[in-house]
Amino acid sequence: EAEVAQSPRYKITEKSQAVAFWCDPISGHATLYWYRQILGQGPELLVQFQDESVVDDSQLPKDRFSAERLKGVDSTLKIQPAELGDSAMYLCASSFGSLTDTQYFGPGTRLTVL
Amino acid sequence: DQQVKQNSPSLSVQEGRISILNCDYTNSMFDYFLWYKKYPAEGPTFLISISSIKDKNEDGRFTVFLNKSAKHLSLHIVPSQPGDSAVYFCAAVSNYQLIWGAGTKLIIKP
Repeated sequence: EAEVAQSPRYKITEKSQAVAFWCDPISGHATLYWYRQILGQGPELLVQFQDESVVDDSQLPKDRFSAERLKGVDSTLKIQPAELGDSAMYLCASSFGSLTDTQYFGPGTRLTVL
Repeated sequence: DQQVKQNSPSLSVQEGRISILNCDYTNSMFDYFLWYKKYPAEGPTFLISISSIKDKNEDGRFTVFLNKSAKHLSLHIVPSQPGDSAVYFCAAVSNYQLIWGAGTKLIIKP
């Protein structure tokens, strides 16, 4: 069964350092999402791609966060510099297209900023 | 301002009984609703959905009810099984956004 792959699974870093997360969606899925989930809260959308284009990045803190999906397949989310408040689970999901399509999530990356 | 609210952070139910998870929303533009289940150290997985043109959708042990006038939906699990212990998220879709609730942790007691 096809799955969304994410790496690393866990990342510990010091504040002001740079971190990067990688996501490989299910083959054929045009839409890719990056979410941030803080414990006790629901996933918060950071950025949505349709193929290689950004559809929605209104909640992405653009002064420190960046995301790319250069060839419309895998994607990278970067934080530079990391801050203590960035400690969270970062989830990647993919789907065929619209927001009503089932989103398939990867296992997430647990980021701890010290 | 939370547009999708799951007011119960946790719920404990006896195995074999019915579990009812609730979700309220404020935006009348939402026209599609989804429930996802999440186990620890895993990403959420899709459970069931409902369009605003319906008031009920059923899939095996899972039934979602939608009350548009009350802006309320609920997920019923009958009978509850130990493997149902997880965090359940409600999510709502309008034409341009998908908003998630904070989740309810369901604990099934043996």
